[in-house]
Amino acid sequence: AQSVTQPDIHITVSEGASLELRCNYSYGATPYLFWYVQSPGQGLQLLLKYFSGDTLVQGIKGFEAEFKRSQSSFNLRKPSVHWSDAAEYFCAVGVGNTPLVFGKGTRLSVIA
Amino acid sequence: DGGITQSPKYLFRKEGQNVTLSCEQNLNHDAMYWYRQDPGQGLRLIYYSQIVNDFQKGDIAEGYSVSREKKESFPLTVTSAQKNPTAFYLCASSFGLAVSYEQYFGPGTRLTVT
Repeated sequence: AQSVTQPDIHITVSEGASLELRCNYSYGATPYLFWYVQSPGQGLQLLLKYFSGDTLVQGIKGFEAEFKRSQSSFNLRKPSVHWSDAAEYFCAVGVGNTPLVFGKGTRLSVIA
Repeated sequence: DGGITQSPKYLFRKEGQNVTLSCEQNLNHDAMYWYRQDPGQGLRLIYYSQIVNDFQKGDIAEGYSVSREKKESFPLTVTSAQKNPTAFYLCASSFGLAVSYEQYFGPGTRLTVT
Protein backbone atom coordinates (compact mmCIF):
# COMPACT_ATOMS: atom_id res chain seq x y z
CA ALA A 1 0.00 0.00 0.00
CA GLN A 2 1.11 3.52 -0.70
CA SER A 3 2.11 5.41 2.40
CA VAL A 4 4.04 8.38 3.66
CA THR A 5 5.66 8.57 7.09
CA GLN A 6 6.83 11.54 9.08
CA PRO A 7 8.69 9.92 11.97
CA ASP A 8 8.87 13.00 14.19
CA ILE A 9 5.61 14.17 15.77
CA HIS A 10 7.12 17.23 17.43
CA ILE A 11 10.50 18.95 17.08
CA THR A 12 11.85 21.89 19.08
CA VAL A 13 14.74 23.96 17.77
CA SER A 14 16.40 27.14 18.88
CA GLU A 15 16.03 30.24 16.78
CA GLY A 16 18.95 30.44 14.37
CA ALA A 17 19.63 26.71 14.48
CA SER A 18 19.33 24.45 11.46
CA LEU A 19 16.32 22.28 10.86
CA GLU A 20 15.65 18.97 9.17
CA LEU A 21 12.21 17.38 9.01
CA ARG A 22 12.03 13.81 7.80
CA CYS A 23 9.68 12.25 5.29
CA ASN A 24 9.74 8.69 4.01
CA TYR A 25 7.42 7.18 1.43
CA SER A 26 6.47 3.76 0.18
CA TYR A 27 5.31 3.71 -3.43
CA GLY A 28 5.72 1.39 -6.38
CA ALA A 29 7.25 4.13 -8.47
CA THR A 30 8.80 7.48 -7.72
CA PRO A 31 5.90 9.68 -6.73
CA TYR A 32 5.45 13.41 -6.90
CA LEU A 33 6.56 14.87 -3.55
CA PHE A 34 5.39 17.95 -1.71
CA TRP A 35 5.94 19.82 1.54
CA TYR A 36 3.17 22.00 2.97
CA VAL A 37 3.15 24.27 6.03
CA GLN A 38 0.17 25.06 8.25
CA SER A 39 0.03 27.87 10.78
CA PRO A 40 -2.31 27.25 13.74
CA GLY A 41 -5.96 27.31 12.74
CA GLN A 42 -5.16 28.02 9.10
CA GLY A 43 -5.09 26.22 5.79
CA LEU A 44 -2.02 24.71 4.18
CA GLN A 45 0.51 26.52 2.03
CA LEU A 46 2.81 24.82 -0.44
CA LEU A 47 6.50 25.18 0.44
CA LEU A 48 8.02 23.20 -2.42
CA LYS A 49 7.55 20.23 -4.69
CA TYR A 50 9.61 17.65 -6.57
CA PHE A 51 8.63 16.01 -9.81
CA SER A 52 11.89 15.11 -11.52
CA GLY A 53 15.34 16.45 -12.31
CA ASP A 54 17.62 18.05 -9.75
CA THR A 55 17.11 16.21 -6.48
CA LEU A 56 17.65 19.35 -4.39
CA VAL A 57 14.66 21.66 -4.68
CA GLN A 58 14.32 25.16 -3.36
CA GLY A 59 11.10 26.49 -1.95
CA ILE A 60 9.65 29.56 -0.35
CA LYS A 61 10.68 31.04 2.99
CA GLY A 62 14.24 29.72 2.66
CA PHE A 63 13.30 26.04 2.75
CA GLU A 64 14.82 23.32 0.62
CA ALA A 65 14.29 19.58 0.32
CA GLU A 66 16.37 16.74 -1.03
CA PHE A 67 14.96 13.70 -2.78
CA LYS A 68 16.93 10.50 -2.14
CA ARG A 69 15.61 7.62 -4.21
CA SER A 70 17.77 5.03 -2.46
CA GLN A 71 16.32 5.98 0.91
CA SER A 72 12.77 6.75 -0.30
CA SER A 73 13.08 10.05 1.50
CA PHE A 74 12.27 13.68 0.88
CA ASN A 75 13.58 15.59 3.89
CA LEU A 76 12.91 19.28 4.42
CA ARG A 77 15.72 21.56 5.58
CA LYS A 78 16.35 25.13 6.58
CA PRO A 79 19.79 26.47 7.54
CA SER A 80 18.58 28.99 10.12
CA VAL A 81 15.16 28.83 11.72
CA HIS A 82 13.16 31.94 12.56
CA TRP A 83 10.50 32.15 15.26
CA SER A 84 7.90 32.63 12.53
CA ASP A 85 8.66 29.14 11.21
CA ALA A 86 6.82 27.60 14.16
CA ALA A 87 3.99 25.67 12.51
CA GLU A 88 2.98 22.19 11.43
CA TYR A 89 4.64 20.70 8.39
CA PHE A 90 3.14 18.05 6.15
CA CYS A 91 4.79 15.87 3.57
CA ALA A 92 2.52 14.66 0.77
CA VAL A 93 3.01 12.23 -2.10
CA GLY A 94 1.01 11.19 -5.11
CA VAL A 95 1.11 9.59 -8.54
CA GLY A 96 -0.89 10.19 -11.68
CA ASN A 97 -4.46 11.26 -11.11
CA THR A 98 -4.84 9.68 -7.70
CA PRO A 99 -5.39 11.94 -4.69
CA LEU A 100 -2.46 13.06 -2.62
CA VAL A 101 -1.57 11.10 0.49
CA PHE A 102 -0.50 13.26 3.42
CA GLY A 103 1.77 12.33 6.30
CA LYS A 104 0.55 12.91 9.83
CA GLY A 105 2.61 16.03 10.20
CA THR A 106 5.49 17.32 12.30
CA ARG A 107 4.87 20.18 14.69
CA LEU A 108 7.80 22.58 14.91
CA SER A 109 8.37 24.71 17.98
CA VAL A 110 11.01 27.44 17.99
CA ILE A 111 12.57 28.65 21.23
CA ALA A 112 14.66 31.75 21.85
CA ASP B 1 -8.15 38.52 -4.98
CA GLY B 2 -8.40 34.91 -6.05
CA GLY B 3 -8.73 32.26 -3.41
CA ILE B 4 -10.82 29.79 -1.51
CA THR B 5 -13.42 30.84 1.02
CA GLN B 6 -14.72 28.60 3.76
CA SER B 7 -17.49 29.74 6.01
CA PRO B 8 -18.04 29.93 8.83
CA LYS B 9 -14.68 29.63 10.57
CA TYR B 10 -16.30 28.12 13.68
CA LEU B 11 -19.48 26.07 13.69
CA PHE B 12 -21.34 24.56 16.62
CA ARG B 13 -24.10 21.97 16.33
CA LYS B 14 -26.05 19.62 18.50
CA GLU B 15 -25.64 15.90 18.05
CA GLY B 16 -28.16 14.46 15.60
CA GLN B 17 -28.29 17.54 13.37
CA ASN B 18 -26.99 17.69 9.84
CA VAL B 19 -24.69 20.61 9.08
CA THR B 20 -23.39 21.98 5.79
CA LEU B 21 -19.94 23.52 5.40
CA SER B 22 -19.43 26.00 2.61
CA CYS B 23 -16.50 26.09 0.19
CA GLU B 24 -16.24 28.58 -2.65
CA GLN B 25 -13.34 29.23 -5.02
CA ASN B 26 -12.75 31.87 -7.68
CA LEU B 27 -9.56 30.37 -9.08
CA ASN B 28 -11.34 28.76 -12.04
CA HIS B 29 -10.21 25.37 -10.79
CA ASP B 30 -11.91 22.21 -12.00
CA ALA B 31 -10.97 19.94 -9.08
CA MET B 32 -12.06 20.42 -5.50
CA TYR B 33 -11.43 18.42 -2.33
CA TRP B 34 -12.59 18.06 1.26
CA TYR B 35 -10.22 16.93 3.99
CA ARG B 36 -10.73 16.24 7.63
CA GLN B 37 -7.95 17.04 10.09
CA ASP B 38 -7.70 15.63 13.60
CA PRO B 39 -4.75 16.17 15.97
CA GLY B 40 -1.92 13.80 15.11
CA GLN B 41 -3.83 12.31 12.16
CA GLY B 42 -2.76 14.54 9.33
CA LEU B 43 -5.22 15.21 6.52
CA ARG B 44 -7.66 12.54 5.46
CA LEU B 45 -9.59 12.83 2.22
CA ILE B 46 -13.39 12.81 2.52
CA TYR B 47 -14.58 13.54 -1.04
CA TYR B 48 -13.17 15.03 -4.20
CA SER B 49 -14.60 16.29 -7.45
CA GLN B 50 -12.93 16.49 -10.81
CA ILE B 51 -15.70 18.34 -12.58
CA VAL B 52 -19.19 19.72 -12.10
CA ASN B 53 -21.81 17.08 -11.27
CA ASP B 54 -19.18 14.46 -10.56
CA PHE B 55 -17.52 13.49 -7.29
CA GLN B 56 -15.72 10.54 -5.77
CA LYS B 57 -15.46 9.14 -2.27
CA GLY B 58 -12.18 9.50 -0.47
CA ASP B 59 -10.84 7.44 2.38
CA ILE B 60 -13.39 8.47 5.02
CA ALA B 61 -16.62 9.31 3.17
CA GLU B 62 -19.01 7.53 5.54
CA GLY B 63 -21.37 9.98 7.22
CA TYR B 64 -20.64 12.77 4.74
CA SER B 65 -22.23 13.95 1.51
CA VAL B 66 -21.29 16.53 -1.12
CA SER B 67 -22.66 18.19 -4.22
CA ARG B 68 -21.00 19.95 -7.14
CA GLU B 69 -23.66 21.88 -8.99
CA LYS B 70 -21.37 24.80 -9.82
CA LYS B 71 -17.69 24.90 -10.67
CA GLU B 72 -17.06 27.42 -7.91
CA SER B 73 -18.82 25.61 -5.08
CA PHE B 74 -18.35 22.28 -3.31
CA PRO B 75 -20.40 22.17 -0.08
CA LEU B 76 -19.92 19.36 2.42
CA THR B 77 -22.76 18.06 4.58
CA VAL B 78 -21.88 16.31 7.79
CA THR B 79 -24.80 14.05 8.53
CA SER B 80 -26.02 12.64 11.81
CA ALA B 81 -24.57 9.31 10.68
CA GLN B 82 -21.04 10.59 11.16
CA LYS B 83 -20.08 9.13 14.52
CA ASN B 84 -17.38 11.60 15.46
CA PRO B 85 -17.93 14.81 13.50
CA THR B 86 -15.98 17.23 15.69
CA ALA B 87 -12.89 18.14 13.65
CA PHE B 88 -11.19 20.78 11.51
CA TYR B 89 -12.37 20.64 7.90
CA LEU B 90 -10.28 21.89 5.01
CA CYS B 91 -11.38 22.52 1.46
CA ALA B 92 -8.89 22.66 -1.41
CA SER B 93 -8.92 23.12 -5.16
CA SER B 94 -6.60 22.62 -8.12
CA PHE B 95 -6.67 22.96 -11.90
CA GLY B 96 -7.02 19.22 -12.27
CA LEU B 97 -6.72 15.90 -10.48
CA ALA B 98 -3.21 15.22 -11.73
CA VAL B 99 -0.81 15.46 -8.81
CA SER B 100 1.36 17.85 -10.76
CA TYR B 101 -1.27 20.53 -10.10
CA GLU B 102 -0.78 22.40 -6.84
CA GLN B 103 -3.64 22.21 -4.38
CA TYR B 104 -4.72 25.51 -2.85
CA PHE B 105 -6.31 25.37 0.57
CA GLY B 106 -8.99 27.40 2.26
CA PRO B 107 -8.64 28.64 5.86
CA GLY B 108 -10.75 25.80 7.27
CA THR B 109 -13.89 25.40 9.37
CA ARG B 110 -13.72 24.07 12.90
CA LEU B 111 -16.86 22.06 13.64
CA THR B 112 -17.83 21.21 17.19
CA VAL B 113 -20.72 18.86 17.82
CA THR B 114 -21.99 18.39 21.36
